[in-house]
Amino acid sequence: AQKITQTQPGMFVQEKEAVTLDCTYDTSDQSYGLFWYKQPSSGEMIFLIYQGSYDEQNATEGRYSLNFQKARKSANLVISASQLGDSAMYFCAMRGPNAGGTSYGKLTFGQGTILTVHP
Amino acid sequence: EAGVAQSPRYKIIEKRQSVAFWCNPISGHATLYWYQQILGQGPKLLIQFQNNGVVDDSQLPKDRFSAERLKGVDSTLKIQPAKLEDSAVYLCASSLRDYTTRNYGYTFGSGTRLTVV
Repeated sequence: AQKITQTQPGMFVQEKEAVTLDCTYDTSDQSYGLFWYKQPSSGEMIFLIYQGSYDEQNATEGRYSLNFQKARKSANLVISASQLGDSAMYFCAMRGPNAGGTSYGKLTFGQGTILTVHP
Repeated sequence: EAGVAQSPRYKIIEKRQSVAFWCNPISGHATLYWYQQILGQGPKLLIQFQNNGVVDDSQLPKDRFSAERLKGVDSTLKIQPAKLEDSAVYLCASSLRDYTTRNYGYTFGSGTRLTVV
């Protein structure tokens, strides 16, 4: 079974500063993928960044980077130059085994971290 | 590309009533998921379809929840009878294994917020 742990219920950061959101995972699969999503108060799930288990380089997407430490089973999200609009809930998720054919397996989510950016 | 469509956006019902949610996935996405997200928690998978067959429904409370995906496209999730603890956001998602897309093939709908009073 796959498990995602986010130990920070809430985080605060000053505007323009960097912040790290923690995520650890547990899986017996050799091939897996890790996602970070942002969920604002409106409720939609916004994709931020993806890291495959065989990717040698840490993923980056604009102001988002993923600090992937495979041996420690951690996949922390780093947001640089925080903006007020970054205030939201953030979820780490893991892709399960493929369902066959052209489809992915399910996503298993952590409990989330609420990020608040102060001006 | 059109996104995953869900309706209604909000629903308020009394306990013991029934309710149904509708989802239309992205065209061509064979896999469809229903997630339940209780306030302050991460989404939890209720059921996963591959075309019109069920892949995983291990966490679906089958005494009150049911779901179907007719013709492998649209899906409906039903709750009958509803309980107070069913108050949550119900997210539908669809996927196509495509490593070339930015979101790696998973797309979520905007969700249906259910309040049971």
